[in-house]
Amino acid sequence: GAVVSQHPSRVICKSGTSVKIECRSLDFQATTMFWYRQFPKQSLMLMATSNEGSKATYEQGVEKDKFLINHASLTLSTLTVTSAHPEDSSFYICSASRRGTAYEQYFGPGTRLTVT
Amino acid sequence: DAKTTQPPSMDCAEGRAANLPCNHSTISGNEYVYWYRQIHSQGPQYIIHGLKNNETNEMASLIITEDRKSSTLILPHATLRDTAVYYCIVRVATYTGTASKLTFGTGTRLQVTL
Repeated sequence: GAVVSQHPSRVICKSGTSVKIECRSLDFQATTMFWYRQFPKQSLMLMATSNEGSKATYEQGVEKDKFLINHASLTLSTLTVTSAHPEDSSFYICSASRRGTAYEQYFGPGTRLTVT
Repeated sequence: DAKTTQPPSMDCAEGRAANLPCNHSTISGNEYVYWYRQIHSQGPQYIIHGLKNNETNEMASLIITEDRKSSTLILPHATLRDTAVYYCIVRVATYTGTASKLTFGTGTRLQVTL
């Protein structure tokens, strides 16, 4: 149990366009979802935390108007990268948390975004 | 959350035990030690967690020193598929309410060789 999926797994887009990434918890209800970004040879950096039905909390330095997060249901959160630029090219990973377990966060397989 | 220190890389022969150390000298009394790993180009995978007692599951064992300032993750019989970056993270465990965030350090890159 506790499977998290992401779609798409890879996406290439042109500079200036927007890209939406979906994160789904397949077999549990995710009260909280997290979005991370990972550049090559670097560690995961938390971008934002979203609780179902409320606005996301962004980490310092992450532009909320550029990275739009929606957590409309207990099984789905979306990250939209607006007006993407080549420097936004990265590996985006989501995780989902369910109530009642200490290790809580289950990670998706990640989405590789390349902006040309 | 308390900061952790891990060696940047380690090698291990296949079939041998891999012992990955982690220092967390500023850990608080209510913080747990968590281990995750990330295989190349995949999302992190939970391995094990503990508070002060040693823990074992089907993947690994976690040994925490009595003063809780350091711990060791043990993979008893490493295989090539265990090649990954291993992250040691300390944080407060929350059994109710909303989950607290994980702060990833640089981890240890474990290379298992034939």
